[in-house]
Amino acid sequence: DTGVSQDPRHKITKRGQNVTFRCDPISEHNRLYWYRQTLGQGPEFLTYFQNEAQLEKSRLLSDRFSAERPKGSFSTLEIQRTEQGDSAMYLCASSPDTTSNTEAFFGQGTRLTVV
Amino acid sequence: GENVEQHPSTLSVQEGDSAVIKCTYSDSASNYFPWYKQELGKGPQLIIDIRSNVGEKKDQRIAVTLNKTAKHFSLHITETQPEDSAVYFCAARPYGNNRLAFGKGNQVVVIP
Repeated sequence: DTGVSQDPRHKITKRGQNVTFRCDPISEHNRLYWYRQTLGQGPEFLTYFQNEAQLEKSRLLSDRFSAERPKGSFSTLEIQRTEQGDSAMYLCASSPDTTSNTEAFFGQGTRLTVV
Repeated sequence: GENVEQHPSTLSVQEGDSAVIKCTYSDSASNYFPWYKQELGKGPQLIIDIRSNVGEKKDQRIAVTLNKTAKHFSLHITETQPEDSAVYFCAARPYGNNRLAFGKGNQVVVIP
């Protein structure tokens, strides 16, 4: 499968714990995005990488959230001191950097439940 | 920022009939409009997109139309099949912007 891969698919954690998610984009896609989706809503933008550089962050990305893409390939999203409000589907997407308007392809997401 | 709204929230159609979902956007600088299909427990799947330099695009049973003046775009699904049942999201992206602004989604139910 050459699509966007996310791991784990599901994560249940206790409030206050830290969690880390991984995203492997489509090979040679140098743009990578993280979105969050809550029940009954559309995805909301969190952050964007071009290669290893994090170029944009949403105000939704509080200080407890940090994302990295150290080698310009896979990315990780860490949430520290999780809260119940962090429960959501975390989606990763990637796109090639060929023009300014490029298709974004999503992975299957990581569903986080904070109990 | 860009605000995207979708109507109706739920749409039920008989198998074989057509389904139309309409989205409106607020930012006149938006020039890229994709549609995604999301099945339960899965990520959004890109099904069709349109750029602002065209008014209509078709791919088999799916078409998208864009009215830049009115700032709305629509997804048309013809000859609906049960496997078309899903949540459909529209999105918009202003030129030079890296983020997609999504609508809240439409639940489409195709009744066999």
